[in-house]
Amino acid sequence: GAGVSQTPSNKVTEKGKYVELRCDPISGHTALYWYRQSLGQGPEFLIYFQGTGAADDSGLPNDRFFAVRPEGSVSTLKIQRTERGDSAVYLCASSLKSTGELFFGEGSRLTVL
Amino acid sequence: KQEVTQIPAALSVPEGENLVLNCSFTDSAIYNLQWFRQDPGKGLTSLLLIQSSQREQTSGRLNASLDKSSGRSTLYIAASQPGDSATYLCAVMDTGRRALTFGSGTRLQVQP
Repeated sequence: GAGVSQTPSNKVTEKGKYVELRCDPISGHTALYWYRQSLGQGPEFLIYFQGTGAADDSGLPNDRFFAVRPEGSVSTLKIQRTERGDSAVYLCASSLKSTGELFFGEGSRLTVL
Repeated sequence: KQEVTQIPAALSVPEGENLVLNCSFTDSAIYNLQWFRQDPGKGLTSLLLIQSSQREQTSGRLNASLDKSSGRSTLYIAASQPGDSATYLCAVMDTGRRALTFGSGTRLQVQP
């Protein structure tokens, strides 16, 4: 596809469960970002990949959150032992270069019951 | 730590008006500033990207300006239409890191 694709669009899970959220960036974009957005707020940075490596993971809130991008394309955000406070929309973005224009996906809405 | 503030938080105008949305940031050491539009329940759509060396960018009825030294940007929307109703977000990328810092947005409603 032409844009950033995120799956699932909606995920409802129970407290304590493990969740994976997937992002397929625009073809050829080397930079990939994960953000989290709560209702009425702007997105908050989680992690940034340049190629396969996590260049900046300073936004990850704690060690329950982890992200990978093994082949430099698709990325997966993994959340262990989910808590109700993890409920939010998780947004993925990609960019042709690290200082370029970011293009966002539609997001994955996570609800932890 | 970079902080981005957007004023006003919400704005309602009649169709046809020209309007200005404001964005301010605390650290002027930035690579670029980007304006986004977000419709309810949707992702972000990039509107304009201004590099730190630029003063303004234009796209159709939209014009964004950047005054890096004073830490301000404005988004000007000419001849507003009901289809412009959305939340507009401003974000800056610092020179020290490659992450965007966002404001909380301005929720715009254009009344027909």
